[in-house]
Amino acid sequence: DVKVTQSSRYLVKRTGEKVFLECVQDMDHENMFWYRQDPGLGLRLIYFSYDVKMKEKGDIPEGYSVSREKKERFSLILESASTNQTSMYLCASSLFAGAQKTQYFGPGTRLLVL
Amino acid sequence: QKEVEQNSGPLSVPEGAIASLNCTYSDRVSQSFFWYRQYSGKSPELIMSIYSNGDKEDGRFTAQLNKASQYVSLLIRDSQPSDSATYLCAVSSSSNTGKLIFGQGTTLQVKP
Repeated sequence: DVKVTQSSRYLVKRTGEKVFLECVQDMDHENMFWYRQDPGLGLRLIYFSYDVKMKEKGDIPEGYSVSREKKERFSLILESASTNQTSMYLCASSLFAGAQKTQYFGPGTRLLVL
Repeated sequence: QKEVEQNSGPLSVPEGAIASLNCTYSDRVSQSFFWYRQYSGKSPELIMSIYSNGDKEDGRFTAQLNKASQYVSLLIRDSQPSDSATYLCAVSSSSNTGKLIFGQGTTLQVKP
């Protein structure tokens, strides 16, 4: 079974803090993704990575950065947290090759920025 | 026009009935199609994937794909209260990057 883990289930931070969200997958997947999910807005892609040290912006990258130093780990960084970044953050991973692009999700991190 | 469209619902069905969830997509080049189930407060979990036209059955779930009409659906037979959740339709992006385009989801309520 694919396992995607996220470092925290719940996180409370103050405005202006630097926030690190970590995601680890154990299936040697090339692709990793960070989404945020808000009521009425669905899943929105922040960044994704298709290889170590490779990254591409998604639909809403502003205010976020990412790091992928090892294949199994993909970090999302909020450089200076703001209240509008309060959200559910979901990490996912998938294989790179072939028609099958099934994404497997981690349990999510619910972030509250005060 | 949204790339993947779903009726947000809620879709309410009685226990034991067939629930029919629909999704349309705009990119004719898309090749892979997925249905995810998401319980409130939880992350999405894969229910079905389908890659070719026709029906694919897995237990009480049947996915149907019609690429000519750009339409994918999910049927849930003998609906149970435990099926109450939001169902997300996802379609592969035409760019060969592994990206999926998600619909906003349909909320299903199965009433006992």
